[in-house]
Amino acid sequence: GAGVSQTPSNKVTEKGKYVELRCDPISGHTALYWYRQSLGQGPEFLIYFQGTGAADDSGLPNDRFFAVRPEGSVSTLKIQRTERGDSAVYLCASSLSPGQSQETQYFGPGTRLLVL
Amino acid sequence: AQSVTQPDIHITVSEGASLELRCNYSYGATPYLFWYVQSPGQGLQLLLKYFSGDTLVQGIKGFEAEFKRSQSSFNLRKPSVHWSDAAEYFCAVAPYGGATNKLIFGTGTLLAVQP
Repeated sequence: GAGVSQTPSNKVTEKGKYVELRCDPISGHTALYWYRQSLGQGPEFLIYFQGTGAADDSGLPNDRFFAVRPEGSVSTLKIQRTERGDSAVYLCASSLSPGQSQETQYFGPGTRLLVL
Repeated sequence: AQSVTQPDIHITVSEGASLELRCNYSYGATPYLFWYVQSPGQGLQLLLKYFSGDTLVQGIKGFEAEFKRSQSSFNLRKPSVHWSDAAEYFCAVAPYGGATNKLIFGTGTLLAVQP
C-alpha cells in the first residue's frame, strides 16, 4: 500500500516568508509525528498528534512553528517568518496506534527546506 | 535527559566483511530501542526493534542487534556487508510507557562499502 507522502519534496524560500509543509500519513494511522533533521544530525522530534489533537508539541522550537491536523489525517506544518536556521529536512512519520511506544513509526521521504 | 550516542560518525568496510555499528543510550529504565537506515533521497526505514525478551533481535536485510543492559548498548551487526548496505544508520530510543511516543535519535553513522 501507499506509504507516508510529503509535499513538496523541496522548498526554497526567502528569509521572512511563510511556508507550509504537507504530510499525508498511511491510511488508518491515527498517530502522526513531525521531526526535523539538520545537516549531519539525527532527526529531532517536533510534534506528535493523536487523531486531530496535538498530544505533545514540546519539540517545536518557538512560536513561529505551528502544525495542524484538522480531520485526523493530513497534517500541515506551518513556519512563519522563516529564518536561515530553519533550513533542514522536515520528516513526517505515522504509526497505527496512539499511546504505544513500541509501535513502528513509518517515515516519509521528507521535505528539504532551504531558506535563503 | 534521555540521549543516544553513536560514537562512529563514518565507517568504511569492504564488501563481504562483517559490520558492527555502536549505539549507547542514557535512560533511567530500559527503553524501546530501534535501528533505522536512511538511503539518499529515501525515508527512514526500520531495520529492527527491541522491546523485551530475547536480547538478540533479528531484522530485515540480514541485520541483527544485541541489547546489553549492563553496557546500555544496542549495537547493530551484519556478518557480510553488501554494496547496497551503504547508507546512514540511526539508532533511536523511545521511552518505556511514555505517552508521547517520540523517538530520540543518535547523530547517525555513515557507512561506506568498498568493492
